Amino acid sequence: AQSVTQPDIHITVSEGASLELRCNYSYGATPYLFWYVQSPGQGLQLLLKYFSGDTLVQGIKGFEAEFKRSQSSFNLRKPSVHWSDAAEYFCAVGDNNAGNMLTFGGGTRLMVKP
Amino acid sequence: EAGVAQSPRYKIIEKRQSVAFWCNPISGHATLYWYQQILGQGPKLLIQFQNNGVVDDSQLPKDRFSAERLKGVDSTLKIQPAKLEDSAVYLCASSLGRAGQDTQYFGPGTRLTVL
Repeated sequence: AQSVTQPDIHITVSEGASLELRCNYSYGATPYLFWYVQSPGQGLQLLLKYFSGDTLVQGIKGFEAEFKRSQSSFNLRKPSVHWSDAAEYFCAVGDNNAGNMLTFGGGTRLMVKP
Repeated sequence: EAGVAQSPRYKIIEKRQSVAFWCNPISGHATLYWYQQILGQGPKLLIQFQNNGVVDDSQLPKDRFSAERLKGVDSTLKIQPAKLEDSAVYLCASSLGRAGQDTQYFGPGTRLTVL
């Protein structure tokens, strides 16, 4: 069965600093990988996704993520964090063999210091 | 393009009562999902519909939860009777189809509190 681990429950960074959120997955084949963001009281918004090809994926709001098969990781990065990036971030793995079913990690809550 | 709509946004009930949530997916999206998100956890898929048929409900507690999508458009999720552990946010999502590349779009969720 597929699974996703986000090792950091909370992360605090200063505004303008760089950010990296970790995501490790377990999946038998080539995974479909996603990062979603959830602001308070909001649904989940897709930041970026990886299916195949270039392992460095660009997303919205200046985010990018890199797929590393050897490490079973799909870490999310941003070079300069803005206060509006404070939210909860979820990594997910999709099972194309099971009809687009997503398995989510537990999430990382990002706080941004002024 | 209108997003996924859900109502109500908040609901407070006592245990053993029943409750229903409504979801209207993005127009043209054949696949609809209900997720349960317990505080501090990631969303967990409860049920997936393709048009008006159930594709997967393996994680739906069928003794108390039911869901339907009769006309292949909007959907309702019901809990009867509710337990304390059902307190969570219930998220609805939709996608064009069931391919892995089909992005799931999420609604704002319904926050359920069971007292």
